[in-house]
Amino acid sequence: DAGVTQSPTHLIKTRGQQVTLRCSPKSGHDTVSWYQQALGQGPQFIFQYYEEEERQRGNFPDRFSGHQFPNYSSELNVNALLLGDSALYLCASSLGGQGRETQYFGPGTRLLVL
Amino acid sequence: RKEVEQDPGPFNVPEGATVAFNCTYSNSASQSFFWYRQDCRKEPKLLMSVYSSGNEDGRFTAQLNRASQYISLLIRDSKLSDSATYLCVVNANTGNQFYFGTGTSLTVIP
Repeated sequence: DAGVTQSPTHLIKTRGQQVTLRCSPKSGHDTVSWYQQALGQGPQFIFQYYEEEERQRGNFPDRFSGHQFPNYSSELNVNALLLGDSALYLCASSLGGQGRETQYFGPGTRLLVL
Repeated sequence: RKEVEQDPGPFNVPEGATVAFNCTYSNSASQSFFWYRQDCRKEPKLLMSVYSSGNEDGRFTAQLNRASQYISLLIRDSKLSDSATYLCVVNANTGNQFYFGTGTSLTVIP
């Protein structure tokens, strides 16, 4: 039973560039949430996708956008990268989309913006 | 005020000790509560859900106090392998957003 997978594992970009991160949820899961975790902080909710729609969004600017595909996999896009976007980006999957179910995390993508 | 607040520690305890972490949350409508464990440079992993009646899993006990809006995690007979950051997680009934605390760092010393 495959767990949550994310790609790439590491990424280095420069300010102003754009980046796309990918996530495949745990087998059988239909909901994907994205989080940003800065060093020394807890994960911060970016948004959640269910049935290919963004269902809820955290306090992040429009530079952060996403997509969910019919197979439930998801992408996180960040435009016009800033130094402060350097962080660990975590994808979490869950089932049912009711908001209370357990979330399972992927290994994350470490993004460094220079 | 932050949605979830934790004492960041660090907590340094000897092997075999009992250690307790507390976490407070601000939204009284919160419905779901969890403790996650995160090892250095790894993803968070579910340690246990927290139920109103409290629950125990081996050396770990979680409690929820709705009146005071806090949850706790008790670790008995600490092992070296318990060294990690423990994240308190709360979900508000009004949405699908999970709120994480900043985490409490635990180091178990031989």
